[in-house]
Amino acid sequence: DADVTQTPRNRITKTGKRIMLECSQTKGHDRMYWYRQDPGLGLRLIYYSFDVKDINKGEISDGYSVSRQAQAKFSLSLESAIPNQTALYFCATSDLVHNTGELFFGEGSRLTVL
Amino acid sequence: DQQVKQNSPSLSVQEGRISILNCDYTNSMFDYFLWYKKYPAEGPTFLISISSIKDKNEDGRFTVFLNKSAKHLSLHIVPSQPGDSAVYFCAASENNDMRFGAGTRLTVKP
Repeated sequence: DADVTQTPRNRITKTGKRIMLECSQTKGHDRMYWYRQDPGLGLRLIYYSFDVKDINKGEISDGYSVSRQAQAKFSLSLESAIPNQTALYFCATSDLVHNTGELFFGEGSRLTVL
Repeated sequence: DQQVKQNSPSLSVQEGRISILNCDYTNSMFDYFLWYKKYPAEGPTFLISISSIKDKNEDGRFTVFLNKSAKHLSLHIVPSQPGDSAVYFCAASENNDMRFGAGTRLTVKP
């Protein structure tokens, strides 16, 4: 089983709908992140969290919100989806103790907004 | 404003030859640099990293070189193998704020 699990893996929705992407991890890491990948732009940080009470905006947080329900769970919400939020979304974790900067990614959630 | 740039979207090399992937950055405060590898339908996986206090780090067939004065780093893969075919992302970090390049798709031909 994957250490970082994302659900759903694929989702097609319509403009204006609310969408939630969920992430859970078994690595025991404190830090969790949400990125989106777009062709030609690489991975851009949406939100990150260093523990359950900590939420921080990344480069492109507008139109998104997050919830850190527990150390192992970090969900990303699109309150009212729009077509330019069509992208591949990745959840990631990192280890505060070793702090090498290495991120451990989930397999991705492909979202299409029509 | 992209602080980390990979100017070559793709690279094709012959099996057994050297692959050189390049990355440039603009923020002189970055203190850690990493390369990630991504296969289709999978998340990126960590490949190799280098601290800003070093200029070279080697791990088997993979070597990363850092030139701080030029704000440039490169990943060398020697010898290249068909299984190395993937998208490679360069990343740079400052106080855990990690920025990624757009990626370079490497194809290693048998």
